[in-house]
Amino acid sequence: DVKVTQSSRYLVKRTGEKVFLECVQDMDHENMFWYRQDPGLGLRLIYFSYDVKMKEKGDIPEGYSVSREKKERFSLILESASTNQTSMYLCAISLQGPQNGYTFGSGTRLTVV
Amino acid sequence: GENVEQHPSTLSVQEGDSAVIKCTYSDSASNYFPWYKQELGKRPQLIIDIRSNVGEKKDQRIAVTLNKTAKHFSLHITETQPEDSAVYFCAGTTSGTYKYIFGTGTRLKVLA
Repeated sequence: DVKVTQSSRYLVKRTGEKVFLECVQDMDHENMFWYRQDPGLGLRLIYFSYDVKMKEKGDIPEGYSVSREKKERFSLILESASTNQTSMYLCAISLQGPQNGYTFGSGTRLTVV
Repeated sequence: GENVEQHPSTLSVQEGDSAVIKCTYSDSASNYFPWYKQELGKRPQLIIDIRSNVGEKKDQRIAVTLNKTAKHFSLHITETQPEDSAVYFCAGTTSGTYKYIFGTGTRLKVLA
């Protein structure tokens, strides 16, 4: 089974800090995604990447950036954390083509104080 | 852009009863509709999916139906059990990309 690892399960950061959330996969999948999950809002797409050094904005990219220097690693960066970025962040991967389903990481619950 | 609406937001059923969750989508070019189950504290996991060339798909106690004309699809769970209690998300693909648009989720509670 494919493994999607998010480096931190829980994270507490201060307002204004630069925050890095890491996602690593072990199966050479091309497509990687970052979502945030909030009660009543479901999962909203922040950024995604189809290949190394490639990125595309999702529906809510403001306040975030991403980095994909290697195929197996997709990082989400909060340039200057704010309290409204307190959320559950989920990384997902998929094989080429949307009809192969997503595999999610276990999530990082970020609290910005 | 694509939008997926999901109803109800919460659903309580007695153990053994059926549960139905409904989703509508806006992009008529959407062609793949997965359903995810997220248990408390765990990651979402794919439980069933349907492609636009199929009207219904069944896997033991769960089934999904798709009405392309009306642009809606539904998850049906029969003979519900306490372990079915979770948040369920529907999703649709945005045509021409690999990204999913998710519904806002339904919290299902199965009462023993």
